[in-house]
Parts: sequence; C-alpha cells; structure tokens
Amino acid sequence: AQTIHQWPVAEIKAVGSPLSLGCTIKGKSSPNLYWYWQATGGTLQQLFYSITVGQVESVVQLNLSASRPKDDQFILSTEKLLLSHSGFYLCAWSLAGGGAEQFFGPGTRLTVL
Amino acid sequence: QQQVRQSPQSLTVWEGGTTVLTCSYEDSTFNYFPWYQQFPGEGPALLISILSVSDKKEDGRFTTFFNKREKKLSLHIIDSQPGDSATYFCAASKTGNTGKLIFGLGTTLQVQP
Repeated sequence: AQTIHQWPVAEIKAVGSPLSLGCTIKGKSSPNLYWYWQATGGTLQQLFYSITVGQVESVVQLNLSASRPKDDQFILSTEKLLLSHSGFYLCAWSLAGGGAEQFFGPGTRLTVL
Repeated sequence: QQQVRQSPQSLTVWEGGTTVLTCSYEDSTFNYFPWYQQFPGEGPALLISILSVSDKKEDGRFTTFFNKREKKLSLHIIDSQPGDSATYFCAASKTGNTGKLIFGLGTTLQVQP
C-alpha cells in the first residue's frame, strides 16, 4: 500500500529564516507530486507540481521553491520566510495528471513569527 | 474571481438527516470533480469524484450529482453522523493537463446528535 509522509509535523520559524519541508511517497513508482498551501480556515492553493525527477513547475509565485531530487521525494523551501508563509503545507500525489485522483499527506503546520 | 464556488459556507444538520452541499464552476472545460473531506489538523481525504460524462456517482452514504448544462454539482450525505462533521471541499480539474486542481472555499458541516 502507498504511504505519504511529510516532515516536520510542525515548525515555528522567525521571519527571514530559511525553511525546508519534505514529502516522501512510498509504494508508488513515478507519481505526479504536488505542493499545496492552505491558510488557516481557508481553501487549498496548488503551489508546485512535478511529473518526474528533476522537473518542477511553479503554479503560484509565493517566494518559495520546490525540488524533486528523487522519484519519491518532494522538497519545498525558501531562503527567507515571510509572515505570509504561515499556514498548512500539504503534499499530494497522483498516478497521472488531469483527471487523476490526488491523495494528500498529513501536512506540515508552519507558523512564522 | 472564484472559479469554483461552494454553498453554504457552513451548515448544521441533525444526526440521521440528509446533508446537501452544492458547488458551481465557471470554466466549461473542467471535466473532473472530486470532493474532499478535511478534519481539523489533517490533510484532506478524497471522498468521491465524478467525471463530466456521468450525472451521478454513489459510494455508500455519499452521492454526488453533476449537471453539465447548469455547471453545478452537489454532494448528498444520507443518514448524517456526528463523525461526518468536517469541512468539505469541492474541486475541479481538466483531464489531460498536469493535475491542477481548483478548490472551492469549502463548507463546514456540523452534525448534531
């Protein structure tokens, strides 16, 4: 069975500090991977997607970057956090692109102070 | 402009009753519509999804109806249970693209015992 793991579970960081969030998918080969951001009490907004190792496309510019160093790993990062980066970050996977079911991980809660 | 709109914003029903959530969309090229259920502090879970070639899909107590002409869909939950209390998101996508899901703002459901 496929599993999706996100780390860390939660982070409290200072404005201007760097950030790295991770996501690992086990049990699926060459999945499409996605990063979403959700403000507290808000909706989900797709940030990045990747269909293969080393290839990442940006959907929304939020002073964040993403990388896919391995088939089963997706990393979200920034060198300088802003207050507006606070929220819930979710990684998701699917077997293909449009029209394919997307399955979400447990999320990482980020608080920027 | 919100491409996917949900109503109501919040809803309270009695245990055993039927819950009806509605969703409308703008882009007529959307053809895949998933519903997600999210509990506080957790990632969204795929509840049920429908393609635009169908007008109804059922899974246990959950049924989604699709009206292509009116660009509307709905989620019906029969025999609503307190454990169904959560936020429900409608989303839309186009098959053949890279998996960009557009989410509505969500409906928060409270089922009272």
